[in-house]
Amino acid sequence: NAGVMQNPRHLVRRRGQEARLRCSPMKGHSHVYWYRQLPEEGLKFMVYLQKENIIDESGMPKERFSAEFPKEGPSILRIQQVVRGDSAAYFCASSPDLGQPQHFGDGTRLSIL
Amino acid sequence: GQQLNQSPQSMFIQEGEDVSMNCTSSSIFNTWLWYKQDPGEGPVLLIALYKAGELTSNGRLTAQFGITRKDSFLNISASIPSDVGIYFCAGPGGSQGNLIFGKGTKLSVKP
Repeated sequence: NAGVMQNPRHLVRRRGQEARLRCSPMKGHSHVYWYRQLPEEGLKFMVYLQKENIIDESGMPKERFSAEFPKEGPSILRIQQVVRGDSAAYFCASSPDLGQPQHFGDGTRLSIL
Repeated sequence: GQQLNQSPQSMFIQEGEDVSMNCTSSSIFNTWLWYKQDPGEGPVLLIALYKAGELTSNGRLTAQFGITRKDSFLNISASIPSDVGIYFCAGPGGSQGNLIFGKGTKLSVKP
């Protein structure tokens, strides 16, 4: 029973490029959450999605960041025109329903040159 | 906004010792979660608590949901080297699906 799968594990981009982070939830989970973690910090919520719908994006920066969870395929977190401050570990979590414990993937470590 | 304060920030202990850490909130929570994160990996759920006063164990780990609903405690008995890592408490934030995390307690175990 595979856990939450994130890829790539590491991603290096130059300033101004686009970064695409992918997340496949656990089997049977239709709720996906994205978090960002800076060194020596806890995780900070970004966005919560159910299939084809964004439920809560209150933690997402208003510009350059977007997320989707299509009917088929993984959830995607997209960062356009990356800047140095976007360097962080991005984690995806999934749950079978709202209010159920969230299970995390191993993250994508994004480095901006 | 809501905040979770974890203490201590870090602990250095000898193998075999018991460990205790806690988490306090500025507001009432109806769920407390404890996660452990190893370097380079994602947080792994250890214990979930849903009721004030609840005491739940998972092997050598025991967690309690404080009766004021503003705090929670995690205890590890007879620590071993693989207990090394960062322990995070988390609870539901103000919006749907939002989990708030503390800054973590970093545990180091000397063999």
